[in-house]
Amino acid sequence: DAGVIQSPRHEVTEMGQEVTLRCKPISGHNSLFWYRQTMMRGLELLIYFNNNVPIDDSGMPEDRFSAKMPNASFSTLKIQPSEPRDSAVYFCASSPSDRTNQPQHFGDGTRLSIL
Amino acid sequence: GQSLEQPSEVTAVEGAIVQINCTYQTSGFYGLSWYQQHDGGAPTFLSYNALDGLEETGRFSSFLSRSDSYGYLLLQELQMKDSASYFCAVDTGRRALTFGSGTRLQVQP
Repeated sequence: DAGVIQSPRHEVTEMGQEVTLRCKPISGHNSLFWYRQTMMRGLELLIYFNNNVPIDDSGMPEDRFSAKMPNASFSTLKIQPSEPRDSAVYFCASSPSDRTNQPQHFGDGTRLSIL
Repeated sequence: GQSLEQPSEVTAVEGAIVQINCTYQTSGFYGLSWYQQHDGGAPTFLSYNALDGLEETGRFSSFLSRSDSYGYLLLQELQMKDSASYFCAVDTGRRALTFGSGTRLQVQP
């Protein structure tokens, strides 16, 4: 079975540009999470969806960040405009339900560098 | 607020046993998870404890004491491939996990 698929794997862009990260969760999973990982701040939850509905976006750093989940098989995380401090690895994860005793399955991440 | 404390780094030799501790302070608590992450890789789920006691899965075991706000991950018969970062994560009831800062385990020959 395919795992969580993220694209692109790497993104290098100049500050001020719009960045769109994409995620395809595991089929049948109804919870989807976006995380950001940096050396300084560790692994931070940005937002999560349950049944395509955003449940908690309190981790989204600021209005430059937005996330959507138009259907059960696709989600995007957008940064506009991007800034150098947004450089990080962004992970998408999915889970069979919103019960946290269920494992979260992580994608391979997008390594984002903002110059 | 919420906080999770883990040692930043642990070193052990092949074949040994190592314990990675995690203490937490949270406004709510439903369970403690452990994830493994190799350099450049994605976190992968290892275990989940909701109740006090020890859960064993092969060479890895996880322990929880709710009264002490404490848990640990026990790795036995260490192998070189176990060199990775290990994260504890708390379920505070908001249906999402709060991760600790991670413990980097280095297994030496």
